[in-house]
Amino acid sequence: ILNVEQSPQSLHVQEGDSTNFTCSFPSSNFYALHWYRWETAKSPEALFVMTLNGDEKKKGRISATLNTKEGYSYLYIKGSQPEDSATYLCAFPSGSQGNLIFGKGTKLSVKP
Amino acid sequence: DAGVTQSPTHLIKTRGQQVTLRCSPKSGHDTVSWYQQALGQGPQFIFQYYEEEERQRGNFPDRFSGHQFPNYSSELNVNALLLGDSALYLCASSLVLSRYGTGTYEQYFGPGTRLTVT
Repeated sequence: ILNVEQSPQSLHVQEGDSTNFTCSFPSSNFYALHWYRWETAKSPEALFVMTLNGDEKKKGRISATLNTKEGYSYLYIKGSQPEDSATYLCAFPSGSQGNLIFGKGTKLSVKP
Repeated sequence: DAGVTQSPTHLIKTRGQQVTLRCSPKSGHDTVSWYQQALGQGPQFIFQYYEEEERQRGNFPDRFSGHQFPNYSSELNVNALLLGDSALYLCASSLVLSRYGTGTYEQYFGPGTRLTVT
């Protein structure tokens, strides 16, 4: 059974703090690793799709790294802002058809 | 460009009833996947439709069925509702062929339909 684990479950930081969280996934039969940001009452928004070991992607203050050999990805947010408050989900395709297995997410709250 | 839309936004049903949820994919997308998110869990894959056929299915009972129409929109039907079916139902659309080339599809999600079964 494929399992995706995320930690921590929740995180409370002050505005300006930098933060990071972890996604662990099966290291065999790797296709890609997806990160989503999900704000309350909105649609989950794709942040990154990472495909190569050692991959590092960046979007503004958010960046992510990937280690497929050991089965983990880190998401970093530099200088957190209140608008970064959301649940961050990672997902692992269970096969080539693309149906995603999601972690439970990390809920980030940034206080002004 | 309209993204993925879902209707209705909220729905309250009674145990034993049947429900139909609807999804319109992002323009240009031909594949629709449905996910269920129960409280405190990540979204769980229900099934995926492509070319009007169910292409792949997750671990959900036959009470969950779907359909895809020629315009790529999709319906999710749940029969004989149980209390445990209360959840947020998400629809995601994608293209069969993606620029990633591995068969891994970038998926775009709708805002979901919140189903409450009483």
